[in-house]
Amino acid sequence: DIQMTQSPSSLSTSVGDRVTITCRASQNITYHLNWYQYKPGKPPKLLIYAASGSQSGVPSRFSGSGSGTEFTLTISSLQPEDFATYFCQQSYSTPLCTFGQGTKLEV
Amino acid sequence: QVHLQESGPGLVKPSETLSLTCTVSSGSINNHYWSWIRQPPGEGLEWIGNIFYNGITAYNPSLKSRVTILVDTSKNQFSLKLSSVTAADTAIYFCARLVRFYPTYWFDPWGQGTLVAVSS
Repeated sequence: DIQMTQSPSSLSTSVGDRVTITCRASQNITYHLNWYQYKPGKPPKLLIYAASGSQSGVPSRFSGSGSGTEFTLTISSLQPEDFATYFCQQSYSTPLCTFGQGTKLEV
Repeated sequence: QVHLQESGPGLVKPSETLSLTCTVSSGSINNHYWSWIRQPPGEGLEWIGNIFYNGITAYNPSLKSRVTILVDTSKNQFSLKLSSVTAADTAIYFCARLVRFYPTYWFDPWGQGTLVAVSS
């Protein structure tokens, strides 16, 4: 299985901060990497697909980059509604996909 | 906007079968792939399996011997059965649509998830 490692696991942040979350794959997954936002009690929300594609309706402050084994999700200016858990998912292997452990943004 | 909602018992006894249903609304189940994903407390997400609307399935090898995913197109629903559960199967269970954009794919949308505890 392809292992996905996210860092950090949690991050203390403030409104207005620029936030960068990293996801590393145990092998080359080219661009097959997606990012989601999760708030308990709500459906996880797709933010970024194929490493850098922005899902419709997602604010422009969210961006994704990277290829191969290292990827980043950047929030350019953190808003109050962005405090959540973010996780990555590789879709290089089919059908067995794997997820990162998640990064929780905290005040 | 397609909406997914999980339903089923929140408590299952050890060795019994966990059964959940995902109802798809504001959209058709036809011509799509559908998935089950879970998150045990304090752990990461784990893909359980997929089903195409025509009934073709794919399962996580680690769970394959205990998992059955079925689809009922007449009800716009798909379901999950996990047999011989133990405390390790305690998790939030999510259903989601798998969007294929060859050669890649992603999950969108998701249900809000339902917590299933395995306990006597």
